[in-house]
Amino acid sequence: EAGVTQFPSHSVIEKGQTVTLRCDPISGHDNLYWYRRVMGKEIKFLLHFVKESKQDESGMPNNRFLAERTGGTYSTLKVQPAELEDSGVYFCASSQRQALQETQYFGPGTRLLVL
Amino acid sequence: AQKVTQAQTEISVVEKEDVTLDCVYETRDTTYYLFWYKQPPSGELVFLIRRNSFDEQNEISGRYSWNFQKSTSSFNFTITASQVVDSAVYFCALSEARWDYKLSFGAGTTVTVRA
Repeated sequence: EAGVTQFPSHSVIEKGQTVTLRCDPISGHDNLYWYRRVMGKEIKFLLHFVKESKQDESGMPNNRFLAERTGGTYSTLKVQPAELEDSGVYFCASSQRQALQETQYFGPGTRLLVL
Repeated sequence: AQKVTQAQTEISVVEKEDVTLDCVYETRDTTYYLFWYKQPPSGELVFLIRRNSFDEQNEISGRYSWNFQKSTSSFNFTITASQVVDSAVYFCALSEARWDYKLSFGAGTTVTVRA
């Protein structure tokens, strides 16, 4: 069974540009999460989808971040326009069923560098 | 307030030494889960263990063991007879019912095992 995949693995962009990150969860997983680790800090929750619906987006830093999960399959996270402080590693995770206490399995992350 | 504290930033050991990673958590929930994830140099977060708040039994899996003590709010992780492949960043995480089980991570402990 394929794990969580993320694309791209790395992205280097200039301040003001737009970047879109993609996450493909494990097949059949209803719950999809985005987390972010800014350099040297904790991994922090951004948002949570249940199927195609946003369950919780309390961790989204500001309105420059837009997440979607069309059809309840893969998800995209767009940053527009990117700022220097957006640099970090963006992780996606998925878990099975509606039981929220299920283990979250993580992807390899996307390393974003904003110059 | 920090929910999960990993006081050790970095630990360096020689192969075959044992290493213990500390994790202290803070929660008002009676129902919660604790996790350990490993992040090897390749970058992905690998799930190691999940423990619920009602099960204080210690667990051993090969060279890995976990000591859960509710009285001290700790969930420590020991690697016995460490190997170079154990070199990674290890994250402790907490998920709580009141926050829909999204993960709160500690800052991580970098373990370096020298040959």
